[in-house]
Amino acid sequence: DAMVIQNPRYQVTQFGKPVTLSCSQTLNHNVMYWYQQKSSQAPKLLFHYYDKDFNNEADTPDNFQSRRPNTSFCFLDIRSPGLGDAAMYLCATSSRTGPGANVLTFGAGSRLTVL
Amino acid sequence: TQLLEQSPQFLSIQEGENLTVYCNSSSVFSSLQWYRQEPGEGPVLLVTVVTGGEVKKLKRLTFQFGDARKDSSLHITAAQTGDTGLYLCAGLYGNKLVFGAGTILRVKS
Repeated sequence: DAMVIQNPRYQVTQFGKPVTLSCSQTLNHNVMYWYQQKSSQAPKLLFHYYDKDFNNEADTPDNFQSRRPNTSFCFLDIRSPGLGDAAMYLCATSSRTGPGANVLTFGAGSRLTVL
Repeated sequence: TQLLEQSPQFLSIQEGENLTVYCNSSSVFSSLQWYRQEPGEGPVLLVTVVTGGEVKKLKRLTFQFGDARKDSSLHITAAQTGDTGLYLCAGLYGNKLVFGAGTILRVKS
């Protein structure tokens, strides 16, 4: 089945220790998103890639970076995690055109704990 | 600025009861999506509504898009414990999907 896979599902890190979360997709969607979600709140968009074009949200801290080396993979790097960065991080994909345009397919998420 | 207001924020009901969740905005959306998220998982799309006044049914779930495409509702008939989760509405505003704050639904047996 075509899907969005996130790794790891659970990540524990220490305050200030860099973390990388990964996302891969088999849907061949041209848009990939990273969302941060805290305790049953709405997902908050951090940034997205439209093909290779990176689009940062205005209020996304510099502590968060992303890489998309190819269509299938996207990474979220948290350079110096603080306690406030503990959250579920959701990767999603979508297509900009065709049936199902702009409908998001989410991965299962990576839950980050910061000690 | 929250473009989409969802209500109620939290709903706890008994199995078999009916409920309605609302999603309201002062903005017009080209389409509106509803997602359901179970604890520890990512949101899963339930439905997309596109046309003003559109009504879509998914088993016991009925979704309605307002005539002016500014609001939507989700009605669940005879709720089951498996309906428990976070319900999110999301409106397409240009190329950006804007999420509401979500409604946490708990169905007790």
